Amino acid sequence: GENVEQHPSTLSVQEGDSAVIKCTYSDSASNYFPWYKQELGKRPQLIIDIRSNVGEKKDQRIAVTLNKTAKHFSLHITETQPEDSAVYFCAASIGDYKLSFGAGTTVTVRA
Amino acid sequence: GAGVSQSPSNKVTEKGKDVELRCDPISGHTALYWYRQRLGQGLEFLIYFQGNSAPDKSGLPSDRFSAERTGESVSTLTIQRTQQEDSAVYLCASSLTGGLSYEQYFGPGTRLTVT
Repeated sequence: GENVEQHPSTLSVQEGDSAVIKCTYSDSASNYFPWYKQELGKRPQLIIDIRSNVGEKKDQRIAVTLNKTAKHFSLHITETQPEDSAVYFCAASIGDYKLSFGAGTTVTVRA
Repeated sequence: GAGVSQSPSNKVTEKGKDVELRCDPISGHTALYWYRQRLGQGLEFLIYFQGNSAPDKSGLPSDRFSAERTGESVSTLTIQRTQQEDSAVYLCASSLTGGLSYEQYFGPGTRLTVT
């Protein structure tokens, strides 16, 4: 089945700096790649997603890039703020309706 | 409108007891997922319901786990003869229809602790 590797597991950045999280996947048929943010004690929430027909997508300070040939995708957060502190999960689609999730990256933004 | 709700929010049970977890999806959402999230790990797919189709149970880890959904409403996840390795947060998510064209909205989860 699909195997999604996510790195790093923890990331500490200075406020205002950028944060980058990388994921790799194994199933070449995967065509949908969402990113979820989970604040401490709260539910996961979708922050951005990308489908395989595009290589990059941006939404304000958040961007995602996809390299289908290399089977990896990345989340970029620019101008980080304290409210960006959370656990971030990447996921890759399996078939028509399932998602395989990475293990998560705990991001801490230092004021 | 109301989001996905789950109950109880926390459950502590003794090893060997049965537990039942409940999920109320967003009204009108036909697709419903259950996930397990162990401490420090990602979400693990358990089961998928879509309308009146047969559920995809391929993620259930053992025959002690079962789930039901009545029509397009409430779902219950039952764990029989609980074991300590069942301790985790169980998350439910719903989406407007099946497939991945629509966002999955998550509930707050049920934190299960088996002592």
